[in-house]
Amino acid sequence: QQQVKQSPQSLIVQKGGISIINCAYENTAFDYFPWYQQFPGKGPALLIAIRPDVSEKKEGRFTISFNKSAKQFSLHIMDSQPGDSATYFCAASVFGGTYKYIFGTGTRLKVLA
Amino acid sequence: GAVVSQHPSWVICKSGTSVKIECRSLDFQATTMFWYRQFPKQSLMLMATSNEGSKATYEQGVEKDKFLINHASLTLSTLTVTSAHPEDSSFYICSADSSYEQYFGPGTRLTVT
Repeated sequence: QQQVKQSPQSLIVQKGGISIINCAYENTAFDYFPWYQQFPGKGPALLIAIRPDVSEKKEGRFTISFNKSAKQFSLHIMDSQPGDSATYFCAASVFGGTYKYIFGTGTRLKVLA
Repeated sequence: GAVVSQHPSWVICKSGTSVKIECRSLDFQATTMFWYRQFPKQSLMLMATSNEGSKATYEQGVEKDKFLINHASLTLSTLTVTSAHPEDSSFYICSADSSYEQYFGPGTRLTVT
C-alpha cells in the first residue's frame, strides 16, 4: 500500500515531442506528489509538485495531471529537448511528523536530437 | 535558495575502515534531513530520517550500528559508514526538509575496495 508504481521504465522521444510519465498509488493518505529530475551522478532536483486539491499544475514545459479518484498522476513534458534526457522520479508523501517520501522506480527519458 | 551540499562528492576507502559523509543545508535551517542510498539505475531507497537533536529513525532492514547518523545542528547531518565492506559501495544522497519539501544534495559516491 506504500508503493508508488511508475511507468514506463524507459522512454525515447523525438525532439519537440511530448514525453508522458505515469505514476499510480494506493494509499489515500498521500497528500503531496512531487516530480524529480536526476542526471547521472547527480542528486535529484525538484521539478514540479502538486497537492490533491488541484487536478493540474503547469510550470513552463512541465505539467502535472492529477486524478484523485483513479489515484494516478502523470508528468507531461511538452516540446521535449535533448537536455531533458535524464531519469525522472515521481514521489508521494505521507505526513507522519514530517514529509517522508515514497519514490517511484524511475523513468529513463532519452530525447533524440 | 534551498541549496544542500554534500562532502565529499566521492570517496574510496579500504574494507574495514569507516567513512563520514557530511550533508549541509546552506541557506536554510532543516529540522529534518533524510539519507538515501541509490544503486545504479535504481530508485532512491530511504535509509533513515534524521531529526536535529534526537536519534535518527532507521528504515526496516537498515543496520543502525553500521550507518551512524548524527544531526547535531539545524544545518548539518552526518552519515558514518562503519567497518565498510565492498557491498556498502553505493551512491549516498541526503535531502533536507524545507517547508515540507525535500531538497537533495549532489550525492556521494562511495567505493569500498
